[in-house]
Amino acid sequence: DAMVIQNPRYQVTQFGKPVTLSCSQTLNHNVMYWYQQKSSQAPKLLFHYYDKDFNNEADTPDNFQSRRPNTSFCFLDIRSPGLGDAAMYLCATSREAPGYEQYFGPGTRLTVT
Amino acid sequence: KQEVTQIPAALSVPEGENLVLNCSFTDSAIYNLQWFRQDPGKGLTSLLLIQSSQREQTSGRLNASLDKSSGRSTLYIAASQPGDSATYLCAVFTGANSKLTFGKGITLSVRP
Repeated sequence: DAMVIQNPRYQVTQFGKPVTLSCSQTLNHNVMYWYQQKSSQAPKLLFHYYDKDFNNEADTPDNFQSRRPNTSFCFLDIRSPGLGDAAMYLCATSREAPGYEQYFGPGTRLTVT
Repeated sequence: KQEVTQIPAALSVPEGENLVLNCSFTDSAIYNLQWFRQDPGKGLTSLLLIQSSQREQTSGRLNASLDKSSGRSTLYIAASQPGDSATYLCAVFTGANSKLTFGKGITLSVRP
């Protein structure tokens, strides 16, 4: 089945230790998104790629970076995780420009110790 | 700035009841509205997408309606089942900021 896959599902990292979260998709969608969701909160968009074009949200901290080496893969890098970065990180895709239906992966739960 | 509100935050109903989940948004200039389901500790599953030109969409026991002018959407669940227990989020896409704006969700519990 075509889908959005996130690895790992659970990640524990130490305060200040860089961490990378991975997302892959078999839908061949042009747009990939990264959201952060804290407990009982709405998902918050961090950035998205429209093909190779990177679009950063104005309030996304510089601590968060992303890479999209090809259509299928997208990575979220947190350079120096703080305790406040503990959250669920959700990857999503849409076929074309933002506005099309978004399909989400299962998420990666990040714990910072 | 678009804001999406879902009230109440939690709802508990007995099995078999028909129920309505509400969503309101402040900026009626939306392109579409999407309802999602989220199980505890999991990602989001898309349930229904309503384009701004549409009034409703149906999928199985689910029916979503959209009244763009009044900034409201409802998700109707017929004959609720314990398996429907989850958090339901609505999100609107507004062209002005080119992104989905989510509500915080309604956590539904269907009691056997």
